[in-house]
Amino acid sequence: GQQLNQSPQSMFIQEGEDVSMNCTSSSIFNTWLWYKQEPGEGPVLLIALYKAGELTSNGRLTAQFGITRKDSFLNISASIPSDVGIYFCAGLVYSGGGADGLTFGKGTHLIIQP
Amino acid sequence: DAGVIQSPRHEVTEMGQEVTLRCKPISGHDYLFWYRQTMMRGLELLIYFNNNVPIDDSGMPEDRFSAKMPNASFSTLKIQPSEPRDSAVYFCASSFSTSPQPQHFGDGTRLSIL
Repeated sequence: GQQLNQSPQSMFIQEGEDVSMNCTSSSIFNTWLWYKQEPGEGPVLLIALYKAGELTSNGRLTAQFGITRKDSFLNISASIPSDVGIYFCAGLVYSGGGADGLTFGKGTHLIIQP
Repeated sequence: DAGVIQSPRHEVTEMGQEVTLRCKPISGHDYLFWYRQTMMRGLELLIYFNNNVPIDDSGMPEDRFSAKMPNASFSTLKIQPSEPRDSAVYFCASSFSTSPQPQHFGDGTRLSIL
């Protein structure tokens, strides 16, 4: 089946630093999504990418859909304490006129040191 | 607007018992997905429905697992009989089918089988 390799697994950074994480796959996806999950909650959508090469921002977050459609990155600028959480990339394939389920990376655990 | 609603939030039961997890998707969404999250395997798709019809159940681990969607606003995931290795957080998500639309997740049911 499809697999996503997400890195790094965890990041320990100082408040105010920039963060970068990425996902790669051996398979092509039609859509890349980035989610954030906090303890006791479900994943919350941060950014959705629909076209190869697309670069999209959401506040301090920026994500890009790789031109090969096999990778994506997420950057967070000037990190703040509330950015703490687990960030997941997810790939989506459309087939037969409908959507398939998401394939998730294993997540990047972001820890911010004061 | 109400998001995806799951119940119960927590369930603790003894092995061998039947477990039923419930989900109410976002109104108007015609895709519904069930995922399972564990430390070892991350987030995995179990099954998904389109217009109340199961489309792909290849992620359902065993015959002990079953899912139904009797109407557009309700779905259940049942485990019978339950085993300790079924302990995980189970998420329900929903989305529109028209054009690529991201999935929105509930807050999950944390299941512990003793």
